Amino acid sequence: SAVISQKPSRDICQRGTSLTIQCQVDSQVTMMFWYRQQPGQSLTLIATANQGSEATYESGFVIDKFPISRPNLTFSTLTVSNMSPEDSSIYLCSVEGGPRTDTQYFGPGTRLTVL
Amino acid sequence: SQQGEEDPQALSIQEGENATMNCSYKTSINNLQWYRQNSGRGLVHLILIRSNEREKHSGRLRVTLDTSKKSSSLLITASRAADTASYFCATDAMEYGNKLVFGAGTILRVKS
Repeated sequence: SAVISQKPSRDICQRGTSLTIQCQVDSQVTMMFWYRQQPGQSLTLIATANQGSEATYESGFVIDKFPISRPNLTFSTLTVSNMSPEDSSIYLCSVEGGPRTDTQYFGPGTRLTVL
Repeated sequence: SQQGEEDPQALSIQEGENATMNCSYKTSINNLQWYRQNSGRGLVHLILIRSNEREKHSGRLRVTLDTSKKSSSLLITASRAADTASYFCATDAMEYGNKLVFGAGTILRVKS
């Protein structure tokens, strides 16, 4: 399975600021995804990070709020912009690809608290 | 609405007992996956079961799939304190663009 790292692992931020989360994979993968997990909730897909083109956002998520970069097949970033306390969540990246392409593997997550 | 729903929401058992968690979904699926999450960390992939499979095993884990009832169950046998975690099912369905849609999860607590 792919080994995925995320930075930072956690952060506490002030309202109105932005935070960029990095996701690094140890092998080239076709599909990368970003999820949000609000406190006590399940995971919700934010967007699919496409290499070489704009990310594909799910309903309720917009590029201005969650800009995503995918410069190559092993790296992606998610920025949470103009944060408010409602953005306090765990943000997780996942990848699909490799021998068992149906399986998604998840990074350790970034725990964000917005004050 | 959410594709997968799980029950129970929370389950508390003694070490050594079996734990069963159920997942129901609404549309035809390509596959269903079970994940474990320890204490708000990343998700660990447990098992993937395809729509043409009825049962899969992995160590102490047994997953069944009943496509006629649109339901799946995860059985953990001989539970250990280290099994304490949240367990999520996630479905991959053409209707949802082959993206994973997660259930609400079951919080399992194994008491030693």
